[in-house]
Amino acid sequence: GAVVSQHPSWVICKSGTSVKIECRSLDFQATTMFWYRQFPKQSLMLMATSNEGSKATYEQGVEKDKFLINHASLTLSTLTVTSAHPEDSSFYICSARQPTQGQYFGPGTRLTVT
Amino acid sequence: GQNIDQPTEMTATEGAIVQINCTYQTSGFNGLFWYQQHAGEAPTFLSYNVLDGLEEKGRFSSFLSRSKGYSYLLLKELQMKDSASYLCAVSEEGANNLFFGTGTRLTVIP
Repeated sequence: GAVVSQHPSWVICKSGTSVKIECRSLDFQATTMFWYRQFPKQSLMLMATSNEGSKATYEQGVEKDKFLINHASLTLSTLTVTSAHPEDSSFYICSARQPTQGQYFGPGTRLTVT
Repeated sequence: GQNIDQPTEMTATEGAIVQINCTYQTSGFNGLFWYQQHAGEAPTFLSYNVLDGLEEKGRFSSFLSRSKGYSYLLLKELQMKDSASYLCAVSEEGANNLFFGTGTRLTVIP
């Protein structure tokens, strides 16, 4: 079956630095990918929809200048958390649309900002 | 818009049966999905319903009633490893993303 990978699986960074998370579709082309954030014991919150070759669509309340999304190819989308703060610490999950399974999810990236 | 409701938490005994309900209100319904998510991990696909009725897959079954805006996930012969969050998600026509409920945290006890 299709696989979506994420890298890194976990990262610790200092406040004020930037962190890039990669999301790859390993055996299929994904024109659309999604980025979610999940805080402990809460459900998935859609942050943005990443579209290959065009600008991402951000959900209300998500700062596009803070969470930079680049979908440069049909197999790669990146999320960069700029000037990270401790409140950005969360579990970030990407996914790609799949017709009969809804979405294939990546394994997630746990970000801790100290 | 979407209004997807699930119970927040449930507890059930190992070997028993548990039913997790999900109600939704949406325009242009285009399918309902159930996912399982263990703590610290990404969601994994369990089932997909687009027509009314029951879909059975091993110990897990999912039911849909489009007229009632209602679905349930049925887990039989519960095992300790079934302790997880179960997410109900709805697909809408014209939308690429899914709309997720808050999830139901199921705890299986001996």
